Amino acid sequence: QVQLQESGPGLVKPSETLSLTCTVSGASISSYYWSWIRQPPGKGLEWIGYSGSANYNPSLKSRATISVDTSKNQFSLNLSSVTAADTAVYYCVRRLSGWLDPWGQGTLVTVSS
Amino acid sequence: IVLTQSPGTLSLSPGERATLSCRASQSVSSSFLAWYQQKPGQAPRLLIYGASSRATGIPDRFRGSGSGTDFTLTISRLEPEDFAVYYCQQYGSTPETFGQGTKVEIK
Repeated sequence: QVQLQESGPGLVKPSETLSLTCTVSGASISSYYWSWIRQPPGKGLEWIGYSGSANYNPSLKSRATISVDTSKNQFSLNLSSVTAADTAVYYCVRRLSGWLDPWGQGTLVTVSS
Repeated sequence: IVLTQSPGTLSLSPGERATLSCRASQSVSSSFLAWYQQKPGQAPRLLIYGASSRATGIPDRFRGSGSGTDFTLTISRLEPEDFAVYYCQQYGSTPETFGQGTKVEIK
């Protein structure tokens, strides 16, 4: 079955760039679109964007970029100029005609000096 | 599109029926609405897509309905494993958005 696994630093300093990678197994990354979703501690879900699209959440003010590496079957998220408000669990997810399935287990990223 | 879920918390007993509402600030095109279940410390899990289609492996006690701006997730008879937080998501227009969630707790 399709499985996704997030990886990346758990701590990022303010004003730096948050970089996460999602490794996909059980599916070719070229065959689907792939999303990033985040969830601040104790709060709800926030859509960041998806691969192959110029659409990102306007609330991120053009700080987010999602890219795909077909040679490694991975996709990535870069979020620049982070602040404490970007502290969240970040999920990578497969996007199927809009709905999201399956989800990675999530990775907590804390923004702090 | 802003999605407003109600109630915020639903306190019910196992075996009871749960009715969760998701109301959109404008019409969701082509019923592009999904429901997810999230348990503590876990990632969300897809339950329903296209407003009423159950995802693979989802029991038939979960039923999605609605169109336009009003959508409902009904759990016909709550099982112990159904106590969780439920989110709706619209993917008909960008930015794609989620509701704030409804927590179904044991009474």
